[in-house]
Amino acid sequence: GQNIDQPTEMTATEGAIVQINCTYQTSGFNGLFWYQQHAGEAPTFLSYNVLDGLEEKGRFSSFLSRSKGYSYLLLKELQMKDSASYLCAVLNTGGFKTIFGAGTRLFVKA
Amino acid sequence: DAEITQSPRHKITETGRQVTLACHQTWNHNNMFWYRQDLGHGLRLIHYSYGVQDTNKGEVSDGYSVSRSNTEDLPLTLESAASSQTSVYFCASSEEGAAEAFFGQGTRLTVV
Repeated sequence: GQNIDQPTEMTATEGAIVQINCTYQTSGFNGLFWYQQHAGEAPTFLSYNVLDGLEEKGRFSSFLSRSKGYSYLLLKELQMKDSASYLCAVLNTGGFKTIFGAGTRLFVKA
Repeated sequence: DAEITQSPRHKITETGRQVTLACHQTWNHNNMFWYRQDLGHGLRLIHYSYGVQDTNKGEVSDGYSVSRSNTEDLPLTLESAASSQTSVYFCASSEEGAAEAFFGQGTRLTVV
């Protein structure tokens, strides 16, 4: 079976750091994506990890451990505009289907 | 600029009617996908296509069909709309290989 788990909601304070975790069990693995989705809008790409380790891109970093089936998205220097849902998604082998988790809604408070 | 557009953005239809949602992309991407998004379920894959004349079923394909007659378009048809198909529908496209998907703005469909 396929399963992608992430927390439903998180709250953090402006200027702080927040880590959003994702664990996955899938029939094949060809990489992991993080997408950001503001309410009422389309998801937009944040990061892609295919090898173990940390990928840094500005205020956002994404980590992957394939042996543990685990990833996290790290957001630094939080801003109010970071309030959104963050979707963890796994790219399957045997084709290029992307399977999404239910998403984590992040609320950034002043 | 290249883009992916969905139409209509909002649609209300009656149970039993056939409905078609349009998706058009100008990136010349071979891969195209249809997802539905419901509270608590995230994005679930309905159908996908890797090129012209190629279509495949996703995890929630019952009651839906797609056709791919050219690279740019992947229309999604609900054969006989049901209230359970009330949802927000997203179309996406990506290049061949492992690449991020670009999403349309979504279609909010209500079946009454």
